[in-house]
Amino acid sequence: DIVMTQSPLSLPVTPGQPATVSCRSSQSLLHSNGYNYLNWYLQKPGQSPQLLIYLGSTRASGIPDRFSGSGSGTDFTLKISRVEAEDVGVYYCMQPLQTPYSFGQGTKLEIK
Amino acid sequence: VQLVESGGGVVQPGRSLRLSCAASGFTFSAYGMHWVRQAPGKGLEWVAIIWYDGSNKYYTDSVKGRFTISRDDSKNTLYLQMNSLRAEDTAVYYCAREPVGTTFFDYWGQGTLVTVSS
Repeated sequence: DIVMTQSPLSLPVTPGQPATVSCRSSQSLLHSNGYNYLNWYLQKPGQSPQLLIYLGSTRASGIPDRFSGSGSGTDFTLKISRVEAEDVGVYYCMQPLQTPYSFGQGTKLEIK
Repeated sequence: VQLVESGGGVVQPGRSLRLSCAASGFTFSAYGMHWVRQAPGKGLEWVAIIWYDGSNKYYTDSVKGRFTISRDDSKNTLYLQMNSLRAEDTAVYYCAREPVGTTFFDYWGQGTLVTVSS
């Protein structure tokens, strides 16, 4: 099974400042088709998760361009260029390369 | 697009429960469907998938042999039959859809809480 490891687990950020979340997988998520099978989700307080990024770096529909995803193989990064108050919540990376699909532990972003 | 889970509640260890996820606003039969759960105060855990045509089903190891995912496209409904429930199955259960040919969940339901306790 693929294990997903995120860091940090807690991320206090001042509004307007950047934020970075890292995600590492125990096996390469690079598919033979050239795409990295890595997604990012945000779960805002009291809400269901929502898709932010898929295939490692493609923003989902309606996601602001201050969110970006990068990385390949086993190391991935989610960056928020300028954090806003509405970005608070828990960020999860997830691999859909093989079953059982697996999530990282989550990174809780809070506003300083 | 709407996904509405139901069927959660309090159940004793060893008993059974069936969750439902009613889909609307899209062509249900064109989507793979998943169950994802979240124990109180914990992170997300993927539980099961059923392909758009029902031809394949996969489970996380901890529920294999106890849970069964199924779908009724005539009713636009996804199910999770949960047998031999354990305390560690206590969680909010979300259904989520996966567009065919993609690898992500683009819509999630609001979740239904299952509490396994004597």
